[in-house]
Amino acid sequence: GAGVSQSPRYKVTKRGQDVALRCDPISGHVSLYWYRQALGQGPEFLTYFNYEAQQDKSGLPNDRFSAERPEGSISTLTIQRTEQRDSAMYRCASSLIRPGPTNTGELFFGEGSRLTVL
Amino acid sequence: TQLLEQSPQFLSIQEGENLTVYCNSSSVFSSLQWYRQEPGEGPVLLVTVVTGGEVKKLKRLTFQFGDARKDSSLHITAAQPGDTGLYLCAGLPSNTGKLIFGQGTTLQVKP
Repeated sequence: GAGVSQSPRYKVTKRGQDVALRCDPISGHVSLYWYRQALGQGPEFLTYFNYEAQQDKSGLPNDRFSAERPEGSISTLTIQRTEQRDSAMYRCASSLIRPGPTNTGELFFGEGSRLTVL
Repeated sequence: TQLLEQSPQFLSIQEGENLTVYCNSSSVFSSLQWYRQEPGEGPVLLVTVVTGGEVKKLKRLTFQFGDARKDSSLHITAAQPGDTGLYLCAGLPSNTGKLIFGQGTTLQVKP
């Protein structure tokens, strides 16, 4: 389809392993966001990109978390040395336009990657 | 740190009743959005408001942006079971593209 695609949809890993979550945004979308969402709660901001440039990573919990979007399209969120507290739904969203003071693009969300750390 | 406080967190009502969800902050936002999320899916945009005092209507849903652009409300008239879901407000603070979300309001409309 033409929506935001995330993979894997489900990932079970053991504590201490590294995981990489992939997001393929809608073609041509400029901005890409990563969020973490607990069940029944609002998405928690992690980081976002305009094209390939990471604009804000203030929401990344610690230095085990990193994200990249090297060619301004697909993005990868990497969690090193996973811990049980990292278990969550990780959502990616993309927007056609860059957010600014006079416009806010609609965010299109993927179906998420559910991470379980044992 | 910009925070968006939503209230109530949970709401269970009968079909046909009216309800209002509030989204408040001490910070000013250049714009504010409302999303609706169904179980197992990602949030879907309902509306964007950008001007202080702005009111937008979407069928039975009425959205208002506060004059000072620090708060917003969503009013649903004659709620229907199909309105059931998680309602989220999201704000764009001034001079940043960091879109932050409130904690969400879970609405259940019983037939």
